[in-house]
Amino acid sequence: QSALTQPASVSGSPGQSITISCAGTGNDIGDFNSVSWSQQPPGKAPKLVIFDVSNRPSGVSDRFSGSKSDNTATLTISGLQAEDEADYYCSSYTTSSTLVFGGGTKLTVL
Amino acid sequence: EVQLVESGGGLVQPGRSLRLSCRASGFTFGDFAMSWVRQAPEKGLEWVGFIRSKAYGGTSEYAASVKGRFTISRDDSKSIANLQMDSLKTEDTAVYYCIRGAVTTWDWGQGTLVTVSS
Repeated sequence: QSALTQPASVSGSPGQSITISCAGTGNDIGDFNSVSWSQQPPGKAPKLVIFDVSNRPSGVSDRFSGSKSDNTATLTISGLQAEDEADYYCSSYTTSSTLVFGGGTKLTVL
Repeated sequence: EVQLVESGGGLVQPGRSLRLSCRASGFTFGDFAMSWVRQAPEKGLEWVGFIRSKAYGGTSEYAASVKGRFTISRDDSKSIANLQMDSLKTEDTAVYYCIRGAVTTWDWGQGTLVTVSS
């Protein structure tokens, strides 16, 4: 199972919006609404920010949103804040009953 | 509050074994699948495997890179998930995270570092 494809880095200024894409195949993103996004600040453990494509866990800011079209999922962060600077990883369940992660995207807040 | 505390990491020689444990609290452990994910130094996240809850058979799935070498088990009476790692290779060096959930990675532990080196 190949990793999902994410851009290596994205950046934005405070207050702006950014998007991070996550490309998969018909055997993962395209076949399930089980895409999650996790945020990993520098030196810390990951934390779930989006599950089931577009749902936010309790306590996660509504500035985080998710969507999916065909085999590609997208994370959008609006109203960028300095605290959003982190690595972001997408993940999806697969037809092989496994989980696959993206390579990760480093978000820099300028 | 959900808490996941990993233990058992350390330095081990190639070919040897190591057992990681994850002590869980703050939720009904037996109701959830439990997963392990690792992160090699300066690298991204890699799924290792998960074990289903007893209600779903208590069976496990593994990544191809660890299948046949790693085994996940659970003790619902103690709220503990274990990762038995055999025939360790240098490329298994990573921080290992314990996770509540399988399809959705609801909560993550702080991780434990495993270094495989001679």
